[in-house]
Amino acid sequence: EAGVTQFPSHSVIEKGQTVTLRCDPISGHDNLYWYRRVMGKEIKFLLHFVKESKQDESGMPNNRFLAERTGGTYSTLKVQPAELEDSGVYFCASSQDLQGAFGYTFGSGTRLTVV
Amino acid sequence: QKEVEQNSGPLSVPEGAIASLNCTYSDRGSQSFFWYRQYSGKSPELIMSIYSNGDKEDGRFTAQLNKASQYVSLLIRDSQPSDSATYLCARTGRGSTLGRLYFGRGTQLTVWP
Repeated sequence: EAGVTQFPSHSVIEKGQTVTLRCDPISGHDNLYWYRRVMGKEIKFLLHFVKESKQDESGMPNNRFLAERTGGTYSTLKVQPAELEDSGVYFCASSQDLQGAFGYTFGSGTRLTVV
Repeated sequence: QKEVEQNSGPLSVPEGAIASLNCTYSDRGSQSFFWYRQYSGKSPELIMSIYSNGDKEDGRFTAQLNKASQYVSLLIRDSQPSDSATYLCARTGRGSTLGRLYFGRGTQLTVWP
Protein backbone atom coordinates (compact mmCIF):
# COMPACT_ATOMS: atom_id res chain seq x y z
CA GLU A 1 0.00 0.00 0.00
CA ALA A 2 1.43 3.34 -1.01
CA GLY A 3 1.71 5.84 1.81
CA VAL A 4 0.75 9.48 1.95
CA THR A 5 2.68 11.35 -0.70
CA GLN A 6 3.54 15.01 -0.59
CA PHE A 7 5.33 17.22 -3.05
CA PRO A 8 7.38 19.13 -3.44
CA SER A 9 9.57 17.97 -0.58
CA HIS A 10 11.21 21.38 -0.42
CA SER A 11 10.23 24.79 -1.71
CA VAL A 12 12.04 28.08 -1.42
CA ILE A 13 10.09 31.13 -2.53
CA GLU A 14 10.29 34.84 -2.11
CA LYS A 15 7.94 36.79 0.06
CA GLY A 16 4.86 37.72 -1.92
CA GLN A 17 5.00 34.74 -4.24
CA THR A 18 2.52 31.92 -4.42
CA VAL A 19 3.19 28.31 -3.56
CA THR A 20 0.98 25.27 -3.94
CA LEU A 21 1.58 22.14 -1.95
CA ARG A 22 0.07 18.83 -2.94
CA CYS A 23 -0.91 15.78 -0.93
CA ASP A 24 -2.00 12.38 -2.19
CA PRO A 25 -3.56 10.40 0.66
CA ILE A 26 -3.64 6.65 0.98
CA SER A 27 -6.14 5.29 -1.50
CA GLY A 28 -9.56 4.92 0.06
CA HIS A 29 -8.90 7.23 2.97
CA ASP A 30 -11.75 9.69 3.16
CA ASN A 31 -10.14 11.78 5.89
CA LEU A 32 -7.31 14.09 4.95
CA TYR A 33 -5.57 16.52 7.28
CA TRP A 34 -3.08 19.33 6.94
CA TYR A 35 -0.70 20.25 9.73
CA ARG A 36 2.18 22.65 10.02
CA ARG A 37 5.26 22.82 12.17
CA VAL A 38 6.94 26.16 12.56
CA MET A 39 10.50 26.00 13.86
CA GLY A 40 10.62 25.63 17.61
CA LYS A 41 6.89 25.06 17.95
CA GLU A 42 4.64 22.07 18.09
CA ILE A 43 2.90 20.54 15.08
CA LYS A 44 -0.38 22.40 14.66
CA PHE A 45 -3.58 21.47 12.93
CA LEU A 46 -4.65 23.44 9.89
CA LEU A 47 -7.70 21.66 8.52
CA HIS A 48 -9.55 18.40 8.00
CA PHE A 49 -11.33 17.16 4.90
CA VAL A 50 -13.87 14.38 4.81
CA LYS A 51 -13.92 13.42 1.15
CA GLU A 52 -14.17 16.75 -0.63
CA SER A 53 -15.82 18.65 2.24
CA LYS A 54 -14.01 20.77 4.81
CA GLN A 55 -14.93 19.23 8.14
CA ASP A 56 -12.88 21.62 10.24
CA GLU A 57 -10.81 24.49 8.93
CA SER A 58 -10.51 26.39 12.17
CA GLY A 59 -6.74 25.96 12.25
CA MET A 60 -6.11 27.88 9.03
CA PRO A 61 -4.07 30.93 10.07
CA ASN A 62 -5.59 33.48 7.67
CA ASN A 63 -7.17 33.95 4.27
CA ARG A 64 -3.85 33.70 2.49
CA PHE A 65 -4.19 29.94 2.87
CA LEU A 66 -6.57 28.04 0.62
CA ALA A 67 -7.05 24.28 0.69
CA GLU A 68 -8.95 22.24 -1.82
CA ARG A 69 -9.75 18.61 -2.33
CA THR A 70 -11.54 18.25 -5.60
CA GLY A 71 -13.19 14.89 -6.11
CA GLY A 72 -12.20 13.75 -2.66
CA THR A 73 -8.82 12.43 -3.75
CA TYR A 74 -5.68 14.54 -3.62
CA SER A 75 -5.56 17.90 -1.89
CA THR A 76 -3.73 21.14 -2.50
CA LEU A 77 -2.77 23.86 -0.08
CA LYS A 78 -2.06 27.20 -1.65
CA VAL A 79 -0.37 30.07 0.12
CA GLN A 80 -0.86 33.40 -1.61
CA PRO A 81 0.92 35.71 -1.05
CA ALA A 82 3.51 33.98 1.09
CA GLU A 83 4.94 35.74 4.12
CA LEU A 84 8.12 35.03 6.07
CA GLU A 85 6.17 33.54 8.98
CA ASP A 86 4.71 30.90 6.69
CA SER A 87 8.04 29.09 6.67
CA GLY A 88 7.87 25.66 8.21
CA VAL A 89 7.15 22.04 7.45
CA TYR A 90 3.69 21.27 6.14
CA PHE A 91 2.48 17.77 6.80
CA CYS A 92 -0.45 15.99 5.28
CA ALA A 93 -2.02 12.94 6.87
CA SER A 94 -4.88 10.61 6.09
CA SER A 95 -6.99 8.12 7.96
CA GLN A 96 -9.60 5.55 7.11
CA ASP A 97 -11.67 5.72 10.28
CA LEU A 98 -14.23 8.42 10.67
CA GLN A 99 -12.37 10.84 12.85
CA GLY A 100 -8.81 9.66 12.87
CA ALA A 101 -9.30 8.46 16.41
CA PHE A 102 -7.00 5.53 15.79
CA GLY A 103 -4.16 7.62 14.50
CA TYR A 104 -3.15 8.93 11.16
CA THR A 105 -0.55 8.12 8.57
CA PHE A 106 1.57 11.15 7.83
CA GLY A 107 3.34 12.13 4.68
CA SER A 108 6.98 13.11 4.74
CA GLY A 109 6.13 16.79 4.61
CA THR A 110 6.97 19.81 2.49
CA ARG A 111 9.59 22.12 3.89
CA LEU A 112 8.63 25.64 2.88
CA THR A 113 11.11 28.46 3.19
CA VAL A 114 9.97 31.99 2.46
CA VAL A 115 12.82 34.44 1.98
CA GLN B 1 -1.74 26.81 28.99
CA LYS B 2 -0.48 24.49 26.28
CA GLU B 3 -2.80 21.72 25.14
CA VAL B 4 -0.12 19.06 25.49
CA GLU B 5 3.07 19.43 27.50
CA GLN B 6 6.04 17.14 27.22
CA ASN B 7 9.13 16.94 29.39
CA SER B 8 11.53 19.21 27.65
CA GLY B 9 14.49 16.96 27.18
CA PRO B 10 16.68 16.28 25.46
CA LEU B 11 16.89 12.88 27.04
CA SER B 12 20.02 10.79 26.76
CA VAL B 13 20.23 7.17 27.90
CA PRO B 14 22.75 4.38 27.38
CA GLU B 15 21.96 1.42 25.19
CA GLY B 16 19.96 -1.16 27.09
CA ALA B 17 18.48 1.29 29.57
CA ILE B 18 14.85 2.27 30.02
CA ALA B 19 13.86 5.59 28.48
CA SER B 20 10.90 7.32 30.11
CA LEU B 21 8.97 9.99 28.24
CA ASN B 22 6.21 11.97 29.88
CA CYS B 23 3.31 14.06 28.74
CA THR B 24 0.46 15.97 30.39
CA TYR B 25 -2.63 17.38 28.74
CA SER B 26 -5.11 20.06 29.63
CA ASP B 27 -8.45 18.74 28.33
CA ARG B 28 -9.85 16.28 30.86
CA GLY B 29 -12.36 15.01 28.31
CA SER B 30 -9.74 13.76 25.86
CA GLN B 31 -10.31 10.15 24.90
CA SER B 32 -7.46 9.00 22.68
CA PHE B 33 -3.74 9.44 23.05
CA PHE B 34 -0.86 8.68 20.77
CA TRP B 35 2.88 8.51 20.71
CA TYR B 36 4.59 9.27 17.44
CA ARG B 37 8.26 8.84 16.64
CA GLN B 38 9.90 11.24 14.23
CA TYR B 39 13.37 10.77 12.83
CA SER B 40 15.10 13.91 11.68
CA GLY B 41 13.65 15.10 8.38
CA LYS B 42 11.06 12.32 8.28
CA SER B 43 7.34 12.07 8.90
CA PRO B 44 5.86 11.31 12.31
CA GLU B 45 5.26 7.58 12.66
CA LEU B 46 2.59 6.21 15.00
CA ILE B 47 4.12 3.79 17.49
CA MET B 48 1.52 3.56 20.26
CA SER B 49 -2.08 4.48 20.88
CA ILE B 50 -3.88 4.23 24.20
CA TYR B 51 -7.51 4.89 25.09
CA SER B 52 -8.06 3.40 28.56
CA ASN B 53 -6.46 3.99 31.91
CA GLY B 54 -3.59 1.70 32.67
CA ASP B 55 -0.73 0.20 30.72
CA LYS B 56 -0.53 -0.96 27.15
CA GLU B 57 2.47 -2.94 26.03
CA ASP B 58 3.77 -3.54 22.52
CA GLY B 59 7.16 -5.13 22.30
CA ARG B 60 9.70 -2.90 24.00
CA PHE B 61 7.20 -0.05 24.28
CA THR B 62 4.73 0.51 27.12
CA ALA B 63 2.28 3.38 27.14
CA GLN B 64 0.67 4.41 30.41
CA LEU B 65 -2.43 6.54 30.75
CA ASN B 66 -3.86 8.14 33.87
CA LYS B 67 -6.89 10.22 32.96
CA ALA B 68 -7.45 11.41 36.51
CA SER B 69 -3.98 12.95 36.53
CA GLN B 70 -4.15 13.86 32.82
CA TYR B 71 -0.89 12.12 32.28
CA VAL B 72 0.48 9.88 29.54
CA SER B 73 3.87 8.27 29.43
CA LEU B 74 5.93 6.08 27.17
CA LEU B 75 8.54 3.66 28.41
CA ILE B 76 11.08 2.19 26.04
CA ARG B 77 12.80 -0.86 27.45
CA ASP B 78 16.18 -2.10 26.28
CA SER B 79 16.75 1.15 24.40
CA GLN B 80 18.66 0.89 21.15
CA PRO B 81 20.59 3.53 19.21
CA SER B 82 17.93 3.16 16.50
CA ASP B 83 15.40 4.53 19.01
CA SER B 84 17.14 7.89 18.84
CA ALA B 85 14.47 10.25 17.53
CA THR B 86 11.99 12.87 18.63
CA TYR B 87 8.94 11.44 20.37
CA LEU B 88 5.69 13.33 20.02
CA CYS B 89 2.75 12.99 22.37
CA ALA B 90 -0.67 13.77 20.93
CA ARG B 91 -4.30 13.66 21.92
CA THR B 92 -7.49 13.89 19.92
CA GLY B 93 -9.92 16.75 20.19
CA ARG B 94 -13.55 16.46 21.21
CA GLY B 95 -16.88 17.25 19.64
CA SER B 96 -16.38 19.44 16.59
CA THR B 97 -12.61 19.06 16.88
CA LEU B 98 -12.62 15.28 17.29
CA GLY B 99 -10.77 14.83 14.02
CA ARG B 100 -7.77 16.89 14.98
CA LEU B 101 -4.69 15.98 16.94
CA TYR B 102 -3.05 18.25 19.50
CA PHE B 103 0.68 17.68 19.70
CA GLY B 104 3.31 18.42 22.26
CA ARG B 105 6.60 19.91 21.13
CA GLY B 106 8.31 16.56 21.38
CA THR B 107 11.13 15.10 23.42
CA GLN B 108 14.39 14.35 21.67
CA LEU B 109 15.82 11.02 22.76
CA THR B 110 19.40 9.95 22.18
CA VAL B 111 20.47 6.40 22.95
CA TRP B 112 24.23 6.09 23.02
CA PRO B 113 26.10 2.82 22.50
